[in-house]
Amino acid sequence: GNSVTQMEGPVTLSEEAFLTINCTYTATGYPSLFWYVQYPGEGLQLLLKATKADDKGSNKGFEATYRKETTSFHLEKGSVQVSDSAVYFCALRRDFGNEKLTFGTGTRLTIIP
Amino acid sequence: DTGVSQDPRHKITKRGQNVTFRCDPISEHNRLYWYRQTLGQGPEFLTYFQNEAQLEKSRLLSDRFSAERPKGSFSTLEIQRTEQGDSAMYLCASSLEGLAGEVAFFGPGTRLTVL
Repeated sequence: GNSVTQMEGPVTLSEEAFLTINCTYTATGYPSLFWYVQYPGEGLQLLLKATKADDKGSNKGFEATYRKETTSFHLEKGSVQVSDSAVYFCALRRDFGNEKLTFGTGTRLTIIP
Repeated sequence: DTGVSQDPRHKITKRGQNVTFRCDPISEHNRLYWYRQTLGQGPEFLTYFQNEAQLEKSRLLSDRFSAERPKGSFSTLEIQRTEQGDSAMYLCASSLEGLAGEVAFFGPGTRLTVL
């Protein structure tokens, strides 16, 4: 079946540090890949997505590249801010026949000034 | 901003009681999903509707759970004879059927506490 494995947290970084949150997946077919973010007290929001191999999703300074050869979709940001403190979820969706999202367990990120 | 809304936001109930949650999706979205999220975990799929048809149910959805979307708009999730293990955040999401990479928009969730 489909599964997503995420880097375990929590992760604590200083402001302006470089961020990487690892995500690998197992899926049959050709899934789309997503990063969702959950800010304190808020619902899940889409951060970025990629739909095919070598696609790069980007938003708010975050980036992730769909790597089919390593089945990975690692989230990166060059310089984090305190406002990036949140829980980040990697997810996949097999398009065209299996519409549900399969999520990782989430990584809690805390940025200290 | 007419995003996905859920009601109630919080529900505290005693074991054995029935509870019902409501989800109002984004108006033009024809797909609606229910997920459950427990502390420290990612959301887990429960069930999915396309218009009014319930097309998939997870094995997590025991026979105490039932979901409906009678007119293809709002949806309800009912849990009968609640158990303490049902305590979780119940999330609703909606999407518009389309191309690859279809995006699901999530509501704020209903937090259920079973005493």
